[in-house]
Amino acid sequence: DAGVTQSPTHLIKTRGQQVTLRCSPKSGHDTVSWYQQALGQGPQFIFQYYEEEERQRGNFPDRFSGHQFPNYSSELNVNALLLGDSALYLCASSLNRGSQPQHFGDGTRLSIL
Amino acid sequence: GQQVMQIPQYQHVQEGEDFTTYCNSSTTLSNIQWYKQRPGGHPVFLIQLVKSGEVKKQKRLTFQFGEAKKNSSLHITATQTTDVGTYFCAGPGHTNKLIFGTGTLLAVQP
Repeated sequence: DAGVTQSPTHLIKTRGQQVTLRCSPKSGHDTVSWYQQALGQGPQFIFQYYEEEERQRGNFPDRFSGHQFPNYSSELNVNALLLGDSALYLCASSLNRGSQPQHFGDGTRLSIL
Repeated sequence: GQQVMQIPQYQHVQEGEDFTTYCNSSTTLSNIQWYKQRPGGHPVFLIQLVKSGEVKKQKRLTFQFGEAKKNSSLHITATQTTDVGTYFCAGPGHTNKLIFGTGTLLAVQP
């Protein structure tokens, strides 16, 4: 039973560039949420996708966008990267939308130079 | 906005000592979840509490949800080196988004 998988594991970008991160949810899960975790802090909710639509959004600018595909996998896109976007980006899946217990992937470590 | 705070921020114990972390929300929560994140790892779901005053145990771990559903605690009895990591509580915000606490980093010295 595959858990949540994310790619890539690490990524280095420069300011102003764009990045796409990918996530496949745990088998049987239909909801994907994305979190940003800065060093030494708790995960911060970015947004949640269910039935291919963004259902909830945290306090993040429009530079952060996403998509969910019919097979429930998801992408996180960040445009016009800033130094402050350097963080661990975590994807989590759950069954049904809302605040259900989250199953996290290993994350993508994004570094902005 | 809604805040979820945890204390202490960091605790260092000798192996075999007990450990407790406290979680406080600025608003009433419909449920509280606890996660553990090992160094370099990702958060792993431990448990969810739903009822006011609820207490649940997992081996050496005891979780409690406050009567007012605004606070929670995690107590570990006789810590082991495998308990090392950051413990986060998390609860749904007013729009049902999951809000994570500030976390407590536990270090265990053998």
